[in-house]
Amino acid sequence: QSALTQPASVSGSPGQSITISCTGTSSDVGAYNRVSWYQQHPGKAPKLMIYDVSNRPSGVSNRLSGSKSGNTASLTISGLQAEDEADYYCSSYTTSTTYVFGTGTTVTVL
Amino acid sequence: QVQVVQSGAEVKKPGASVKVSCKASGNTFTRNAIQWVRQAPGQRLEWMGWIIVGNGNTKYSPKFQGRVTISRDTSASTAYMEVSSLTSEDTAVYYCAIETYATGCCHFDYWGQGTPVTVSS
Repeated sequence: QSALTQPASVSGSPGQSITISCTGTSSDVGAYNRVSWYQQHPGKAPKLMIYDVSNRPSGVSNRLSGSKSGNTASLTISGLQAEDEADYYCSSYTTSTTYVFGTGTTVTVL
Repeated sequence: QVQVVQSGAEVKKPGASVKVSCKASGNTFTRNAIQWVRQAPGQRLEWMGWIIVGNGNTKYSPKFQGRVTISRDTSASTAYMEVSSLTSEDTAVYYCAIETYATGCCHFDYWGQGTPVTVSS
C-alpha cells in the first residue's frame, strides 16, 4: 500500500489561509468518505483534527475545514496562527479494510 | 475522557522481539478498536494493524503480516503489539490509538504517548 501524497511543506503568514492536499487512489481516498487529518507537534503524539472528510471533533477550532474531490482530499486552515505550526497527516480507510497515511506536510507560520 | 497509556521505552538487539502495551480507560474497552502506528525518526506515520477488542479480530498491513502480532486482555483493558525478528529499521516510536466509534468508524480518536523502541547491537 503506497502512502498518500502530500506536499512536503506549506507556509503562510499569520491570518492567511493555507490548503494541504492529500492524493490517493480509487482504492482509498476515492473509495469512501473516510479521510481523516491529524496534527502532530514535535515530540508529541498525533491529534485528530478532522474525520470523515469534513467533520471536526469537539474542541477543534472551526478555522480548520476539510473537503474531498475524487481521489484528492484537502485540509484548509484559515486565519493562520502560530499554534498551527506543526506536521499534518491525512489518513484514509481502504478497500482492503486497512488504513494508509499520507507522506506528511510541515506547516510553517512565517 | 478516554486516556491511553503505553509502556515505557525499550532497547533491543537485532533478532529479538519487543512487546508494547496500551492501556485504555474512561470508556467501555470492549467497544473499541485499537490501532497501532509507528514513526521512524524523521519519517511519516505508518499504519501497522488493528484489533477489534470485542471479538479479537485483527488485520495487519501487508508489510508487517507474519512479523507483528496484536492481542488484547479485556480484563485488564489493555492491548498489546509484538514485533519479532527486529532489525535496525524497526527503530521507531510506536503509538497505539483508540477508535471509539462514538462518531462512527475509521478514524483514531485518542492516542497514547508513544513508546520509543531502539534496535541496536
